[in-house]
Amino acid sequence: GGIITQTPKFLIGQEGQKLTLKCQQNFNHDTMYWYRQDSGKGLRLIYYSITENDLQKGDLSEGYDASREKKSSFSLTVTSAQKNEMAVFLCASSINWGGAGEQYFGPGTRLTVL
Amino acid sequence: QQKVQQSPESLIVPEGAMTSLNCTFSDSASQYFAWYRQHSGKAPKALMSIFSNGEKEEGRFTIHLNKASLHFSLHIRDSQPSDSALYLCAVSDQGGRALIFGTGTTVSVSP
Repeated sequence: GGIITQTPKFLIGQEGQKLTLKCQQNFNHDTMYWYRQDSGKGLRLIYYSITENDLQKGDLSEGYDASREKKSSFSLTVTSAQKNEMAVFLCASSINWGGAGEQYFGPGTRLTVL
Repeated sequence: QQKVQQSPESLIVPEGAMTSLNCTFSDSASQYFAWYRQHSGKAPKALMSIFSNGEKEEGRFTIHLNKASLHFSLHIRDSQPSDSALYLCAVSDQGGRALIFGTGTTVSVSP
């Protein structure tokens, strides 16, 4: 089995600050994803990557940047944090690209913007 | 662009009863359909998935898919308190490059 690690677990930032979230997986999966989850609701896709150095925008990419420099890691940057923003950011990976395979999720990073 | 909606938003079921969850999607060309479960404070985990029209059963869980009506559902037989969680449906997007998740249904099973 494998594991997905997300750091930090909790992230508190100031309005306008640039914040970076990191994700590592040891499944040796090709595809990695970043989702945002508000208040225990559904997941919204921010970015995904089908291989290292590849980036694909999801529906919620505005206000975010992503980077996939290695197969095992995928980072997400909030370019300018918004006041009162509170959400959980979930990283996931799957063995192949495309929506036809099980995704494995990390425990999440909980973001609070003061 | 794929739209995925779930109903109801939340429900309470007594222990031992059947739990039925619904998911509608907008693109009839979608190829892959899945249900995920997320216990409070935990990561989502895949429950079941289906590719073609019909029914699939695994233990207490059954998925029904009807592409023509743009609808699929999850049924949980003999619901247990441990089934209390947020349930998320997911459908492959146009081009099949990613999964689009629904809005979620919160299930509470009362002992």
